[in-house]
Amino acid sequence: AQTVTQSQPEMSVQEAETVTLSCTYDTSENNYYLFWYKQPPSRQMILVIRQEAYKQQNATENRFSVNFQKAAKSFSLKISDSQLGDTAMYFCAFIHSGYALNFGKGTSLLVTP
Amino acid sequence: DSGVTQTPKHLITATGQRVTLRCSPRSGDLSVYWYQQSLDQGLQFLIQYYNGEERAKGNILERFSAQQFPDLHSELNLSSLELGDSALYFCASSVGQNYGYTFGSGTRLTVV
Repeated sequence: AQTVTQSQPEMSVQEAETVTLSCTYDTSENNYYLFWYKQPPSRQMILVIRQEAYKQQNATENRFSVNFQKAAKSFSLKISDSQLGDTAMYFCAFIHSGYALNFGKGTSLLVTP
Repeated sequence: DSGVTQTPKHLITATGQRVTLRCSPRSGDLSVYWYQQSLDQGLQFLIQYYNGEERAKGNILERFSAQQFPDLHSELNLSSLELGDSALYFCASSVGQNYGYTFGSGTRLTVV
């Protein structure tokens, strides 16, 4: 079974600073997809960023970027210029063909003024 | 608005009862997924339907069942409810799993 591990239960960052959330996964598959989802206090699950395993280039969406290390099975999320609205639970997720999206347990991020 | 509609938003019921949660997927999405989010278990996959047929099963209890109708809306039925079933239940839909899922706003179930 594929497992997704987020080793940081809680993190804190000051507004305008940069923070990196860690995620590792375990799989024997070669083709798969990785995601980061954000869950703010409203509880809505929001897709932040997506990475295709066969692409070496790291995905970027505005202030959000990933560091994808396929050999190390690592998929970290970097948030630049943190904003108060970034306060949320962040979930790393993994999927490959024939299976449903598998989530890590999440990292709670608090952005402080 | 994500385009995935879940009703009701909140539900309070007693142990032993049965409830039905409803989900309308985003227009054009054929796949519907149900997830349970409780405090100590994170997001757990329950079941997937694709165009009316069950496609995959996760950690779904025998007391729980689901179906997807011809208009693609889905219902999750929870019966013989226990206190431990209290959780946030999400429905999600996708046009293709590799693009990620779009989630509804969830149904908060409280069993008392």
